[in-house]
Amino acid sequence: DIQMTQSPSTLSASVGDRVTITCRASQSVNTWLAWFQQKAGRAPKLLIHKVSNLDSGVPSRFSGSESGTEFTLTISSLQPEDFATYYCQQYDSYPWTFGQGTKVEIK
Amino acid sequence: EEQVVESGGGLIQPGGSLRLSCAVSGFTVSNTYMSWVRQAPGKRPEWVSSIHGGTSTYYADSVRGRFTISRDNSRNTLYLQMNNLRVEDTAMYSCARITQATGWIPFDIWGQGAMVIVSS
Repeated sequence: DIQMTQSPSTLSASVGDRVTITCRASQSVNTWLAWFQQKAGRAPKLLIHKVSNLDSGVPSRFSGSESGTEFTLTISSLQPEDFATYYCQQYDSYPWTFGQGTKVEIK
Repeated sequence: EEQVVESGGGLIQPGGSLRLSCAVSGFTVSNTYMSWVRQAPGKRPEWVSSIHGGTSTYYADSVRGRFTISRDNSRNTLYLQMNNLRVEDTAMYSCARITQATGWIPFDIWGQGAMVIVSS
């Protein structure tokens, strides 16, 4: 199975901050990498697919990039509605796997 | 509006069975790649099973042989039959769509989930 490891586990930030979350895959996922946002009591919401493609309606302050097997989610200017938990997920090969999550908290 | 709505969760004893349903509206389940994903309280989401095309099905090792994914095209509904349930199967179960564009777009639509609690 492909293991997905995110860092940090928790991130404290203020509105307007630039935020970066990292996800490392244990082997190549051939750009089949997605990012989800989850708020308490809600299903995850797709933000980005295929490393850097924003899903419909997702604000442009979110962006994704890759360097080999390391992937990055960046929020350019954190907004109040962005405080949530973020997960990366690979869909290159079964079993599809998620990272352990990064909780973005208010500083 | 495209949406999915799960039902069928509940409290069940270890070894018991449940069938989850996922009613689809706004698109057709028959030609759509669909999955079940579960999430135990405080844990990361876990992919459980997918169905693709006519008969291609995929399962996580932890549920293979106990869970069966299927769909009823006439009802536009996805199912997850869960047998021999274990305490560790306790989770919120959601159905989610996978869309084909230039490649696959995973889990672009989710339902609100159905809670399954396995406990004696």
